[in-house]
Amino acid sequence: AQSVTQPDIHITVSEGASLELRCNYSYGATPYLFWYVQSPGQGLQLLLKYFSGDTLVQGIKGFEAEFKRSQSSFNLRKPSVHWSDAAEYFCAVGALGGANNLFFGTGTRLTVIP
Amino acid sequence: KAGVTQTPRYLIKTRGQQVTLSCSPISGHRSVSWYQQTPGQGLQFLFEYFSETQRNKGNFPGRFSGRQFSNSRSEMNVSTLELGDSALYLCASSLAASNTGELFFGEGSRLTVL
Repeated sequence: AQSVTQPDIHITVSEGASLELRCNYSYGATPYLFWYVQSPGQGLQLLLKYFSGDTLVQGIKGFEAEFKRSQSSFNLRKPSVHWSDAAEYFCAVGALGGANNLFFGTGTRLTVIP
Repeated sequence: KAGVTQTPRYLIKTRGQQVTLSCSPISGHRSVSWYQQTPGQGLQFLFEYFSETQRNKGNFPGRFSGRQFSNSRSEMNVSTLELGDSALYLCASSLAASNTGELFFGEGSRLTVL
């Protein structure tokens, strides 16, 4: 069965500092992996996705993620955080070629301090 | 182009009542998925519709139902409301039925059950 673990419930970083949000997945085959962001009172927005190929994926807003099959991980990174990045971040896994249902992690809330 | 529109944005019901939530997908999108988001359970997949047919269903009781119309608009219904149904209900639309991860979420309908 698919599952996603985001071990960090809440992370606080200073503006301008680097960021890494952790995500571990469990899936029997090649997964589709995603990072979504949710600002307060908003829906989710896709940051980036990994299907195949290059294991380092670039997304919007300066985010990137690296797929590491050996570690079953798909960590999200940003070299320099902006105050507007404060939000909740969700990692998700989907079935290759399957229906549009994603399994989401429990999320990591990011606080950015000046 | 307009995004995913969900109505109503907020509603309050009492136990035992029923509720209907509406979702208008992005123009041209034919797949609509529904998710329930709660602090305790996180984001959970409810069901997905494509071309008026339910393609996939999550692990929710039969009190949760949905449908899709010929114009791709979708509704979900929850009957005999329970306190635990209080949640943010998110609708997401996609061009295709197969999983590309390109889900576009609405801002959600926040249901409070008293």
